[in-house]
Amino acid sequence: SQELEQSPQSLIVQEGKNLTINCTSSKTLYGLYWYKQKYGEGLIFLMMLQKGGEEKSHEKITAKLDEKKQQSSLHITASQPSHAGIYLCGAEKSGTYKYIFGTGTRLKVLA
Amino acid sequence: AAGVIQSPRHLIKEKRETATLKCYPIPRHDTVYWYQQGPGQDPQFLISFYEKMQSDKGSIPDRFSAQQFSDYHSELNMSSLELGDSALYFCASSYWEGPGELFFGEGSRLTVL
Repeated sequence: SQELEQSPQSLIVQEGKNLTINCTSSKTLYGLYWYKQKYGEGLIFLMMLQKGGEEKSHEKITAKLDEKKQQSSLHITASQPSHAGIYLCGAEKSGTYKYIFGTGTRLKVLA
Repeated sequence: AAGVIQSPRHLIKEKRETATLKCYPIPRHDTVYWYQQGPGQDPQFLISFYEKMQSDKGSIPDRFSAQQFSDYHSELNMSSLELGDSALYFCASSYWEGPGELFFGEGSRLTVL
């Protein structure tokens, strides 16, 4: 079955450091979405990637989708405590209308 | 801009009671999804609706039922509540013909005592 694996599972960085979170799919992705969840709160849509090689940026967050459309990375530059939370990648499971999520990356940024 | 509205935000029930959660999607969104997120877990898909018809079903217990109404809002009904039903329940909405991203509500936290 199609799955989304994220790495690392958890990450603790010092404020100001850069970091990267990866999301790997066992099947070709037709749309990859990144979400952020503050602990115990709702999920916030960050970015959507659809084309192989696509790259998008918003403020200090950059997301890329590889050419084969099976791996995406989320890069945060000069991290801040406000970046802390759980980052989830999501995709529509091919052939269904179900939406699947990655395994999540829990990020803590130390001030 | 209007977001997905969920109510109530918090709910405390006893075992074997019934609970109803409501979700009001973003205006013009025609698709609603329900997710359950247990403590420390990722969101698990329960059920989805498109144009008031069930479009897909996930790991929703038989004790739970849901529907989407003519104004596109949705309700998740949970009966014979168990301790394990304690979780954050998220509703998300999207526009079927749109790019595909889901917009989530802030969740309804259900605690079963």
